Amino acid sequence: SQQGEEDPQALSIQEGENATMNCSYKTSINNLQWYRQNSGRGLVHLILIRSNEREKHSGRLRVTLDTSKKSSSLLITASRAADTASYFCATAYSTGGFKTIFGAGTRLFVKA
Amino acid sequence: GAGVSQSPSNKVTEKGKDVELRCDPISGHTALYWYRQSLGQGLEFLIYFQGNSAPDKSGLPSDRFSAERTGGSVSTLTIQRTQQEDSAVYLCASSLSRQGEKLFFGSGTQLSVL
Repeated sequence: SQQGEEDPQALSIQEGENATMNCSYKTSINNLQWYRQNSGRGLVHLILIRSNEREKHSGRLRVTLDTSKKSSSLLITASRAADTASYFCATAYSTGGFKTIFGAGTRLFVKA
Repeated sequence: GAGVSQSPSNKVTEKGKDVELRCDPISGHTALYWYRQSLGQGLEFLIYFQGNSAPDKSGLPSDRFSAERTGGSVSTLTIQRTQQEDSAVYLCASSLSRQGEKLFFGSGTQLSVL
């Protein structure tokens, strides 16, 4: 079963605008991560935020985490056409070991 | 190699046949994951290996699916008596982390069951 759910499912914006994607999850987590998938197959890790952190930045990316609401958001500032991709949140939680579960993803389209 | 390697990249098989998908993780990575992704969908967790611990098989959809990891390195996902609904991209990922952090993904195997 899926642990996380992203919204919106799809987002279309103009180059230079900011893009915000949200993720909600169900159980207590150790960390939350965001990944990107271009058309094709492999996913690439973007950024990680731990359960005791509230905000992280990496270049044009900003991630927030609200553990009381079991939600996270990914903000991409000053978007570029090259940011067009699918973005997935992933949560790692303990089941004995730690298991990383992905949401359904947000498809972002940035128009030049 | 420097990254996670999966083979074959594409596999076409007939309904009822068995298939084996291979994953060669990054050297030294103790964690290995298998996921399945249908067209336009998210990643469905299948199985997770961590070091020498018993694998977490909770995501395997039926007893036709099995996986093993030999010597803590290469992993093989086997699907017996394939069905059309098994058609998907099968993705493997590995990680240095014991806490589910920063997974490195292979390019996947596109499985088509006719």
